[in-house]
Amino acid sequence: AQTVTQSQPEMSVQEAETVTLSCTYDTSESDYYLFWYKQPPSRQMILVIRQEAYKQQNATENRFSVNFQKAAKSFSLKISDSQLGDAAMYFCAYRSWNTGNQFYFGTGTSLTVIP
Amino acid sequence: ETGVTQTPRHLVMGMTNKKSLKCEQHLGHNAMYWYKQSAKKPLELMFVYNFKEQTENNSVPSRFSPECPNSSHLFLHLHTLQPEDSALYLCASSPGTSGRGYNEQFFGPGTRLTVL
Repeated sequence: AQTVTQSQPEMSVQEAETVTLSCTYDTSESDYYLFWYKQPPSRQMILVIRQEAYKQQNATENRFSVNFQKAAKSFSLKISDSQLGDAAMYFCAYRSWNTGNQFYFGTGTSLTVIP
Repeated sequence: ETGVTQTPRHLVMGMTNKKSLKCEQHLGHNAMYWYKQSAKKPLELMFVYNFKEQTENNSVPSRFSPECPNSSHLFLHLHTLQPEDSALYLCASSPGTSGRGYNEQFFGPGTRLTVL
């Protein structure tokens, strides 16, 4: 089974600053999908951004962007102009092209935004 | 209602009780999932249903019994649980489980379960 590692249990960032959350994964596959999910306190988990492995261009969604390094098996999330509403747990997830019904999640990074 | 809903949001039960968790999705998806979320651990996939058929059972103890009467509803029946089963139980849905396409999962708010 694939494993997803988020090495930063907790991170903090000043409001309006930029923060990068790290994620690495272990796989022998060449085709797969990667996701970042956000889970605010006591609220629903929502998708932040997604990336297909065979697309070299890094995905962006407004203030959120990723740095996808396929050879290094790294998928970091950059949040620019951080806002108080960005405070949440962030989970990195991997989905195989071959076994599509299995998502593998990391342990999460708790992000605090300091006013 | 939109998205994925779960009831109840909070549940406290004794080890001898029988209770059920309910999940409903209003997204027209074909696949539904149950996850267990415990602190400092990755989400644990419990069950997967695709077009009402169970396609995954990740070695879940028999005290957890899923039911999927149709593609929009998913239940998790609980009986004789243990205190270590206390966790947040998340339901999710996705368009399908095909390898192709993102098929990202949409999550419900979860049921916070406490077993005494």
